[in-house]
Amino acid sequence: RKEVEQDPGPFNVPEGATVAFNCTYSNSASQSFFWYRQDCRKEPKLLMSVYSSGNEDGRFTAQLNRASQYISLLIRDSKLSDSATYLCVVNSPRGYNKLIFGAGTRLAVHP
Amino acid sequence: DAMVIQNPRYQVTQFGKPVTLSCSQTLNHNVMYWYQQKSSQAPKLLFHYYDKDFNNEADTPDNFQSRRPNTSFCFLDIRSPGLGDAAMYLCATSNPTESTDTQYFGPGTRLTVL
Repeated sequence: RKEVEQDPGPFNVPEGATVAFNCTYSNSASQSFFWYRQDCRKEPKLLMSVYSSGNEDGRFTAQLNRASQYISLLIRDSKLSDSATYLCVVNSPRGYNKLIFGAGTRLAVHP
Repeated sequence: DAMVIQNPRYQVTQFGKPVTLSCSQTLNHNVMYWYQQKSSQAPKLLFHYYDKDFNNEADTPDNFQSRRPNTSFCFLDIRSPGLGDAAMYLCATSNPTESTDTQYFGPGTRLTVL
């Protein structure tokens, strides 16, 4: 079983749609959670950290359910520029300052 | 602007011909990482340095080596590249004194093996 699992997609949505991505992680000792965004052939960039209480940044909302070991990202009012791969990332309890990446969920927003 | 820089952005090498990829950072971060990322896959950690302390992942092939001569620079050496080593190589940094585990990535070097 992969340590971080995501639906690979692609999710094809029209502009203005709301889309949700889910992610599960296997190690209950993980303490830090993130969503990174990766454009085609570019490096991953931090989109947002995910906190236990849930957090929002503009059109983006992240939720964490520790009991279910489940992380989500909600994107409202999708823009063409949101098209990218979204990587779910958790810290590795087995190593200091190490992160474990999911393979990503691809989002394509069309006009 | 403080950043993570990788050179070259694109590297073509021949099967078995050693190649070195470089990474530099102006963030003054203690930790530097090398990842390998193949198409549609997650970045895979090869190794990382905490200051001068080298930490190799258990499944990183011996063909991959690294050097960190100072805080700012880190190199990835591939001693005998095979066709399966063609990938994007990403350098990242982090600062453990920050309250999060956030890592900052360079733009990557895309390696082609002929």
